[in-house]
Amino acid sequence: QKEVEQNSGPLSVPEGAIASLNCTYSDRGSQSFFWYRQYSGKSPELIMSIYSNGDKEDGRFTAQLNKASQYVSLLIRDSQPSDSATYLCAVNFPGGQLTFGSGTQLTVLP
Amino acid sequence: DVKVTQSSRYLVKRTGEKVFLECVQDMDHENMFWYRQDPGLGLRLIYFSYDVKMKEKGDIPEGYSVSREKKERFSLILESASTNQTSMYLCASSPGLGGEQFFGPGTRLTVL
Repeated sequence: QKEVEQNSGPLSVPEGAIASLNCTYSDRGSQSFFWYRQYSGKSPELIMSIYSNGDKEDGRFTAQLNKASQYVSLLIRDSQPSDSATYLCAVNFPGGQLTFGSGTQLTVLP
Repeated sequence: DVKVTQSSRYLVKRTGEKVFLECVQDMDHENMFWYRQDPGLGLRLIYFSYDVKMKEKGDIPEGYSVSREKKERFSLILESASTNQTSMYLCASSPGLGGEQFFGPGTRLTVL
């Protein structure tokens, strides 16, 4: 069964701190992984994609992938109140479309 | 930039009405998707299409149908709306079935 698990939160961090969001998935054969940001009342917006083990950095965002542990994470450095949103992890399981986690709600406190 | 548009941001319908939700993408993507999103239940796939006139059921197709007559347009149809179909409906498109998906702004449908 295809499963993508995320802590629902809420996760609160102070402004300027590092926010760490985690995601585990059920199929070791998965190849593509994505992070989406969703503000309240809005649609998901793609912010990061990662395909190989290791780290991928884009500005204040770093995605980390460990396929052996079936684990993908998103780090947000120097968190800002504008980063307050729900973050969705999405995984491409073999032979299928993307499967989304239920999301982690992040609040950055000024 | 990929642009996915949906016909309405907010829609209010009566029980039993036939409802059409339309989605248009301008990036020549092969694949299009319809999801609904409800608090605590996450994103659930209703239907998807990988080519014109082709469609596949997702996880919750009951009570819905779809139409894809042109590559850029994917319609979701509620044949007889019910109150349990009150939800946020999200359309997405992608260049490949397992690749990144790009979402439209969503339609918040209320069925009274």
